[in-house]
Amino acid sequence: AQSVTQLDSQVPVFEEAPVELRCNYSSSVSVYLFWYVQYPNQGLQLLLKYLSGSTLVKSINGFEAEFNKSQTSFHLRKPSVHISDTAEYFCAVSGLLGGTSYGKLTFGQGTILTVHP
Amino acid sequence: DTGVSQNPRHKITKRGQNVTFRCDPISEHNRLYWYRQTLGQGPEFLTYFQNEAQLEKSRLLSDRFSAERPKGSFSTLEIQRTEQGDSAMYLCASSSGLAWDEQFFGPGTRLTVL
Repeated sequence: AQSVTQLDSQVPVFEEAPVELRCNYSSSVSVYLFWYVQYPNQGLQLLLKYLSGSTLVKSINGFEAEFNKSQTSFHLRKPSVHISDTAEYFCAVSGLLGGTSYGKLTFGQGTILTVHP
Repeated sequence: DTGVSQNPRHKITKRGQNVTFRCDPISEHNRLYWYRQTLGQGPEFLTYFQNEAQLEKSRLLSDRFSAERPKGSFSTLEIQRTEQGDSAMYLCASSSGLAWDEQFFGPGTRLTVL
């Protein structure tokens, strides 16, 4: 079984400031790791994912996350946020068996990022 | 490819009534998932299908919940004898079933049980 802990329920930040949203997970098997974003009144969208290879993964809109196996973490960062980044962010994991995902995602509780002008 | 669609988007019902939700996945996606999300929480896994076979059900899913995916295309989630605690957003997602298994989510059905 897997579990995910997002350490901050709300993160307020000013525009153009850096931000880090923290995510820790536990699992008895290897995992794939994901960050999903939910903008106000919209559905969940995949922001970025770690499957294998380079531990640093990046999204098209400037977010990045680093997989740290020893710390079982997958923190999300952005060096300079915009008002449009205001949303709820969910960290999720999927357990693997023989290199194939079990299928289901286990989500954290979510972090509400609010960017102030 | 129009994405995952869910109907209805909102449902208000009285306690004790039955409700049914529908999910249409991305065409040719053979995996379909149902999740439930309550206020202030992340989505929780309920069940998933590989084609028409229901492969896993969460212990959260009581006997009042049933899901089907006839012919491996759309899926329905039925809740019988609804309770106020069933009020939540019900999310559907689909994936191609490849090893990396990226899931695409629908907009959800918000259920309110009065």
